[in-house]
Amino acid sequence: IAGITQAPTSQILAAGRRMTLRCTQDMRHNAMYWYRQDLGLGLRLIHYSNTAGTTGKGEVPDGYSVSRANTDDFPLTLASAVPSQTSVYFCASSDYRGTEAFFGQGTRLTVV
Amino acid sequence: GENVEQHPSTLSVQEGDSAVIKCTYSDSASNYFPWYKQELGKGPQLIIDIRSNVGEKKDQRIAVTLNKTAKHFSLHITETQPEDSAVYFCAASPPSGYSTLTFGKGTMLLVSP
Repeated sequence: IAGITQAPTSQILAAGRRMTLRCTQDMRHNAMYWYRQDLGLGLRLIHYSNTAGTTGKGEVPDGYSVSRANTDDFPLTLASAVPSQTSVYFCASSDYRGTEAFFGQGTRLTVV
Repeated sequence: GENVEQHPSTLSVQEGDSAVIKCTYSDSASNYFPWYKQELGKGPQLIIDIRSNVGEKKDQRIAVTLNKTAKHFSLHITETQPEDSAVYFCAASPPSGYSTLTFGKGTMLLVSP
């Protein structure tokens, strides 16, 4: 059982380039989330999706977009990367509100 | 929106001692409070959670207490072991939406042998 798979595990990206972080879950969870983790700031919600076909904005959505075409996949796209988007990105999923959120291993992104 | 404050930011204890991490939240409507442990290079993993209709929950060496009136909750680890060393995050989930957790900034726990 893989749980949540994120790809790539790390990436160095030139500023201004477009990048898509991939996230796949095999638990058939309804909800999926993207968080970014920065030193001293904890984890902050970027976007979420309660079910396939719907998405919502979190605390820090600017500069990011998401789509949820099916239950399993929830890609995060940076249309034009900037250095402030250097962070570790975690994808997560949960079955329904108030239950355990399962996290992936993270993607370390450096924008130069 | 919800705001979660977590203290301390770092905590050093000797093996066998107890460790306590405290969090406060701002939204009185929040009703789900999980604690996550994050080891170096890994994603956060749930270790215990509590709901607003319960005041205390225990799982072996780990316990969580919740005071709804004061809007604070705490993680208690007894008989600490070196493998407990990690970053711990508290979180709160408001009732609007799925588990859109608001996290505290984390506590780095170091357990020395």
